[in-house]
Amino acid sequence: EVHILESGGGLVQPGKSLRLSCAASGFTLKNYAMSWVRQAPGKGLEWVSGISGGGGTTNYAESVKGRFTISRDTSNNTLYLQMNTLRAEDTAIYHCAKVEGYTSVWGQGTVVTVSS
Amino acid sequence: DIQMTQSPSAMSAPVGDTVTITCRASQDINNYLAWFQQKPGKVPKRLIYVASTLQSGVPSRFSGSGSGTEFTLTISSLQPEDFATYYCLQHDSYPWTFGQGTKVEIK
Repeated sequence: EVHILESGGGLVQPGKSLRLSCAASGFTLKNYAMSWVRQAPGKGLEWVSGISGGGGTTNYAESVKGRFTISRDTSNNTLYLQMNTLRAEDTAIYHCAKVEGYTSVWGQGTVVTVSS
Repeated sequence: DIQMTQSPSAMSAPVGDTVTITCRASQDINNYLAWFQQKPGKVPKRLIYVASTLQSGVPSRFSGSGSGTEFTLTISSLQPEDFATYYCLQHDSYPWTFGQGTKVEIK
């Protein structure tokens, strides 16, 4: 059974950093395009960042470009999102997701709160 | 960047009605369009992919259509469990973009 589990969220002060992790089971991350999607309280879904399958080309929403870095570790089948210079507007639930293909898999998400 | 304009933002309908939600892309997205359903406190669930392919396990009252820049999600014979928020997503080119969402409520 395919499964995704995110971790690493928490309360952090503005300007600080946080690294989110996404552990996948039942499928091999590097074979698929993977994304981070966030949802601020009471708001809609926002695609944040993605990494392609295979070569691992990375892409970002304008709102996080230059501050966030997506990466993956193929040895432990884990996706990461390094978030630097955090702002209040980054407060959200962050989901790791496989959106494309015959199956779409989402994790339950990890909560990031940016506040002093 | 491709903009996705989803309409309406909210609607109310009685059980049994047919509901139509539209997403318009700012440029051709080659049918790389998915529809998601999200219920409060739950993870989004994909209903439709590549514009019109029904996700396995999703009831056949859900259907997707369209091509190029205009796409539609139709729910035939609305059921109580269908009251939720629906989002479209274009994944033709980065950055991927979601529509603003459509909240479907009971009338």
